[in-house]
Amino acid sequence: NAGVTQTPKFQVLKTGQSMTLQCAQDMNHEYMSWYRQDPGMGLRLIHYSVGAGITDQGEVPNGYNVSRSTTEDFPLRLLSAAPSQTSVYFCASSYSDRWTASPLHFGNGTRLTVT
Amino acid sequence: GQQVMQIPQYQHVQEGEDFTTYCNSSTTLSNIQWYKQRPGGHPVFLIQLVKSGEVKKQKRLTFQFGEAKKNSSLHITATQTTDVGTYFCAGKSNFGNEKLTFGTGTRLTIIP
Repeated sequence: NAGVTQTPKFQVLKTGQSMTLQCAQDMNHEYMSWYRQDPGMGLRLIHYSVGAGITDQGEVPNGYNVSRSTTEDFPLRLLSAAPSQTSVYFCASSYSDRWTASPLHFGNGTRLTVT
Repeated sequence: GQQVMQIPQYQHVQEGEDFTTYCNSSTTLSNIQWYKQRPGGHPVFLIQLVKSGEVKKQKRLTFQFGEAKKNSSLHITATQTTDVGTYFCAGKSNFGNEKLTFGTGTRLTIIP
């Protein structure tokens, strides 16, 4: 099993450009999520999905879109990149998000710089 | 919304010394998880605590969940260079539809 696969590993964008960060998991996990990690701020939830066709906003959703057309894939779209979106992005999945949270499996991350 | 604070933010210890990081939540938690992130890596799940007052051990690591289920700690005995990294707690509230909220993390460096 590959686990959670994120691409690309690194990306540099100019302000106003758009792009999609890819995330795929092969563990048949119901729950998938996107986090951003900034120094001193821990991991903040951007968007999440509890199953195919279902998405919802997390703590910091502005400027990002997601979709979940299949159980395996959960891409994150930056609509119009801004310097404030410079960060490390992690995709994470877990078996379920019911009652007690299941352990999260993280991808290797995407380091995004917006100039 | 739910807030999870973690202290200290940084900790430098001599190899062989003990290390403790503390996690405090503004709300009662249904469970708490701990993750370790090596420099340049991604968070890796260590353990989950569910019961009030629960204590779990993994070799030199001891995890505790407070009686009120609002705080937790991770204690490492006799640190080694392999313990370097950032340790995060993450808690899920007992109420509503709160998602897992991560603490700000404690970055541990070891002085050989």
